[in-house]
Amino acid sequence: QSVLTQPPSASGTPGQRVSISCSGISSNIRSDTVNWYQQLPGTAPKLLIYSNNQRPSGVPDRFSGSKSGTSASLAISGLQSEDEADYYCAAWDDSLNSPVFGGGTKLTVL
Amino acid sequence: QVQLVESGGGLVKPGESLRLSCAASGFTFSDYYMNWIRQAPGKGLEWVSYISTSGRTHRYADSVKGRFTISRDNAKRSLFLQMNSLRADDTAIYYCARGPPFDFWGQGSLVTVSS
Repeated sequence: QSVLTQPPSASGTPGQRVSISCSGISSNIRSDTVNWYQQLPGTAPKLLIYSNNQRPSGVPDRFSGSKSGTSASLAISGLQSEDEADYYCAAWDDSLNSPVFGGGTKLTVL
Repeated sequence: QVQLVESGGGLVKPGESLRLSCAASGFTFSDYYMNWIRQAPGKGLEWVSYISTSGRTHRYADSVKGRFTISRDNAKRSLFLQMNSLRADDTAIYYCARGPPFDFWGQGSLVTVSS
């Protein structure tokens, strides 16, 4: 059971906009920033969004993040086949005094 | 460019020990907290441990507390994870990652615990 809650799956067609949610509580998402990671099949995770809505260099602006209260969201616009991957959210938890992850969302491009 | 390369994984029996290493390059290693994060087969990511820049502060997930020890050698730009009393549920790919915010990850090292 992960501390942060994500839907196990999401899907969309090429060109569509999809959104993946990440739900937490006051000791994690509300009190700290949220990061998102993309894990392509058979590879290590890669930082996709940091500090709720910042993109590292090289990440397309099709990817965006937002946070409100105890929930965060990752949006992907102009969906492409190469976006098919697992996506994870993460945040620092003040009560656990450690980072926590969501369970991951498998995105399928139909 | 930033590179993290893990090594030391393998197949061990329950109760045995293993030491993972992570060699860092392309950045000032001593300026960053470092972490071990694992992923069991077909499962999600689980944070395992972090260590401060100096090595004086470290923290562990409850699942490994008392069995695993994280350490670092800033002069050799290396991160380590000593894993004792290994159990079947420790089977996973172990990644070293910089940060937070875990902005760079290694390719991972597979640890299999099986009799």
